[in-house]
Amino acid sequence: DAKTTQPPSMDCAEGRAANLPCNHSTISGNEYVYWYRQIHSQGPQYIIHGLKNNETNEMASLIITEDRKSSTLILPHATLRDTAVYYCIVRANTNAGKSTFGDGTTLTVKP
Amino acid sequence: IAGITQAPTSQILAAGRRMTLRCTQDMRHNAMYWYRQDLGLGLRLIHYSNTAGTTGKGEVPDGYSVSRANTDDFPLTLASAVPSQTSVYFCASRGQGEYGYTFGSGTRLTVV
Repeated sequence: DAKTTQPPSMDCAEGRAANLPCNHSTISGNEYVYWYRQIHSQGPQYIIHGLKNNETNEMASLIITEDRKSSTLILPHATLRDTAVYYCIVRANTNAGKSTFGDGTTLTVKP
Repeated sequence: IAGITQAPTSQILAAGRRMTLRCTQDMRHNAMYWYRQDLGLGLRLIHYSNTAGTTGKGEVPDGYSVSRANTDDFPLTLASAVPSQTSVYFCASRGQGEYGYTFGSGTRLTVV
């Protein structure tokens, strides 16, 4: 699985968009980009994933660059409950694909 | 409620003792995983199983063993616990054709 690089921490004002970057310059053609978040002491929660097109769901949007070497997770209107550690992972979408978690980005949403 | 159940929730264990962490899922997911998370760090994969009857090693398998006798259960055993195995252990699963993992609530293990 390709490695990812994320900033260790970010702040965001409540109600504003939170944009979390991720670099995955060694991503392979069959690897998807996944995002998870982990709220204090809980198990990680799946947010969104994509291959090469931008994706949106009820939680967030995922923007993947055309060369697929980086991506951005967007929380459009951050709330205090979005304070968490966000993990960007790349993984082949096969039964044998395993997820390698880095240290993630600690997002702090401030009032 | 469908999901993953981990037991115990927390445990203090004497060094040298044997311990099995339990993980059960009722979603009929094929793949299951064990991760450990040390304080302030990300998750590291210990062992995984793509389907019942098969297992594989992750990033940090030493000192741990797993078995996958059936689809639902994926226990993690520490044969002889050491203090460096103090961590929070998360079990996860993924269904055939599904994308994201479902994680359990974790087991907080302290080896003294």
